[in-house]
Amino acid sequence: GDSVTQMEGPVTLSEEACLTINCTYTATGYPSLFWYVQYPGEGLQLLLKATKADDKGSNKGFEATYRKETTSFHLEKGSVQVSDSAVYFCALSKSGGYQKVTFGTGTKLQVIP
Amino acid sequence: EPEVTQTPSHQVTQMGQEVILRCVPISNHLYFYWYRQILGQKVEFLVSFYNNEISEKSEIFDDQFSVERPDGSNFTLKIRSTKLEDSAMYFCASSEEGIGNTIYFGEGSWLTVV
Repeated sequence: GDSVTQMEGPVTLSEEACLTINCTYTATGYPSLFWYVQYPGEGLQLLLKATKADDKGSNKGFEATYRKETTSFHLEKGSVQVSDSAVYFCALSKSGGYQKVTFGTGTKLQVIP
Repeated sequence: EPEVTQTPSHQVTQMGQEVILRCVPISNHLYFYWYRQILGQKVEFLVSFYNNEISEKSEIFDDQFSVERPDGSNFTLKIRSTKLEDSAMYFCASSEEGIGNTIYFGEGSWLTVV
C-alpha cells in the first residue's frame, strides 16, 4: 500500500539556521504530495503542495520539490524562525474523485533563539 | 478564507458512553473525511464520505463508528460505547471534486475517554 517515510525528530535548530526535513514516498500512479504543519495546540494546516513531477511547492519561505526519480519531497527553509516550531507532516494523496491522504509520522521542529 | 469548523474542541466522556463529534465542511466541497491522531502518533484515515454514503473506510472504522450528514451543512462522527483507546484528536476534513484538490482540515476535536 501507499506509505510516507519522513525523518525522525525532534529536530532542534538555532534561529536563522537552514532546515531540511527528508520525506520519501511509496505509491502507485502519480500521487499529489503535501506538507502539513501542526502548531502546538492547533489543527493541521496545509503548508504547501505539488501535484506532479518537478513541481515546486512553496509557502512562508518553505519549499519542496516533487522528485519522481527519487520518490522524494524534502522540505527546506533557508532561515528558520522561532515561530516555525511545530510538527511537520509529509503526506500524499492519490488522484481520483476523493483524496484519501496518507501521512508520515511527523517531524517535530524546535527552533531556539 | 473558508474553513472547516469542528465542535466540540475538547470532550471528556466516560467509557461506554456515546459521543458525537460535529463538523461543518467548507460549503462547496463534496467530499468529507474523518481522521484520527492518537497522542504522539501519526494521523490515520478513518473514513471518506461522498454523495451521502461512505466511499472508503479503514480497518479502524468498525461497527463502533458511524458517520452521517444529517442536513446540508453538518457532517458527524458517532462513536458508540467509547473505549479508552478511542482517546485521540479527531480531525474532520473536506475537499472539492477533482484530481489533485487539497483536503482542508479542521482544528480537531480532542476526545478523552476516562
